Amino acid sequence: DAGVIQSPRHEVTEMGQEVTLRCKPISGHDYLFWYRQTMMRGLELLIYFNNNVPIDDSGMPEDRFSAKMPNASFSTLKIQPSEPRDSAVYFCASSYPRGSGEQYFGPGTRLTVT
Amino acid sequence: AQSVSQHNHHVILSEAASLELGCNYSYGGTVNLFWYVQYPGQHLQLLLKYFSGDPLVKGIKGFEAEFIKSKFSFNLRKPSVQWSDTAEYFCAVSLTSGTYKYIFGTGTRLKVLA
Repeated sequence: DAGVIQSPRHEVTEMGQEVTLRCKPISGHDYLFWYRQTMMRGLELLIYFNNNVPIDDSGMPEDRFSAKMPNASFSTLKIQPSEPRDSAVYFCASSYPRGSGEQYFGPGTRLTVT
Repeated sequence: AQSVSQHNHHVILSEAASLELGCNYSYGGTVNLFWYVQYPGQHLQLLLKYFSGDPLVKGIKGFEAEFIKSKFSFNLRKPSVQWSDTAEYFCAVSLTSGTYKYIFGTGTRLKVLA
């Protein structure tokens, strides 16, 4: 298995632009999680899905952030408009929780907003 | 609210020294426990996990952790660290009922001096 796939790996954009991050979970996993990692705040859970349905989006910082999961093999995290304080590494993770809920993380997208 | 505490934020050791990283959680119910490692510039990788049974869990790369239910602790240990263990270590807890989301600790940055 290829593991969790994220694209792009690096994104540099200007303030005010729309940014879309993509994630392909491991086949057969029915939970998908989006995290943000910064030096100041550590690892934060933004939102997670079960069977393509958003379960908990309480970690989404504000209305500029939105996430979708149109099917079991694809999810997007969109920031519109982007701001410099959104600069972070965004990780996607998936899990197949029967028994453990162990999460498998993708390589992350490093976002820089100038 | 549930929380996970990692008391050591930064640890510096010489090679061959022994390592113990603390992790405590606050939740009265049944939990699954995890330790993840993040090498510089990389994504999180699972070191070890505890679901039930023997409270002493062995993971990859010579790491082990002990679950002490009475202390709500899941400390990570390694008898002799190597320079290649330089990384950030995260403790995580997931509840066994209801939600499969993780509650992460703030992480411990370990630097091993050659």
